[in-house]
Amino acid sequence: GQNIDQPTEMTATEGAIVQINCTYQTSGFNGLFWYQQHAGEAPTFLSYNVLDGLEEKGRFSSFLSRSKGYSYLLLKELQMKDSASYLCAVSRRNTNAGKSTFGDGTTLTVKP
Amino acid sequence: EAGVAQSPRYKIIEKRQSVAFWCNPISGHATLYWYQQILGQGPKLLIQFQNNGVVDDSQLPKDRFSAERLKGVDSTLKIQPAKLEDSAVYLCASSLVLAPDTQYFGPGTRLTVL
Repeated sequence: GQNIDQPTEMTATEGAIVQINCTYQTSGFNGLFWYQQHAGEAPTFLSYNVLDGLEEKGRFSSFLSRSKGYSYLLLKELQMKDSASYLCAVSRRNTNAGKSTFGDGTTLTVKP
Repeated sequence: EAGVAQSPRYKIIEKRQSVAFWCNPISGHATLYWYQQILGQGPKLLIQFQNNGVVDDSQLPKDRFSAERLKGVDSTLKIQPAKLEDSAVYLCASSLVLAPDTQYFGPGTRLTVL
């Protein structure tokens, strides 16, 4: 099976930087996704890491260490609109392409 | 480009009743997914279609849940009879066959079973 862990809640201040961690245990790891989900809305794709290292996209960056089973999502220059749930999801090799297993999400609250 | 469409957006039923949800994926997306998201949890895959064939339904409670995608485009998910624990948001997503990992989600249907 798979085990994906991420903190349940985090709070940060507008303009600050926050790092949301995700650890996973799975066989046949292929890649790791981060999604953003605002309350009452569908998840939207943020990033997909397959190789080790940091990938930057504007204010958001995602890091992966395959050997440690660890990823983080880094949000810079936080804005109020970044208040949302951030979902970590893992895809596996040798399974039906597109099948991902999601963590339970980290609810981020950005305060003024 | 139109996104994934779902209806209804909200549904309230009593336990033991039946309910059906509808999904229209992004045009050209051959792969379609139904997820169940219980409050406070991440989405859980129920069933995955490629065109009109089932790729994975290992987590679908087949005694009460069914899904079809007869013409390889729209899909319906049915629950019969519903239980209290079925209260959740049902998300539909779609992706291209050549880019299966990039899934686009619809707005979801929020089901409340009383």
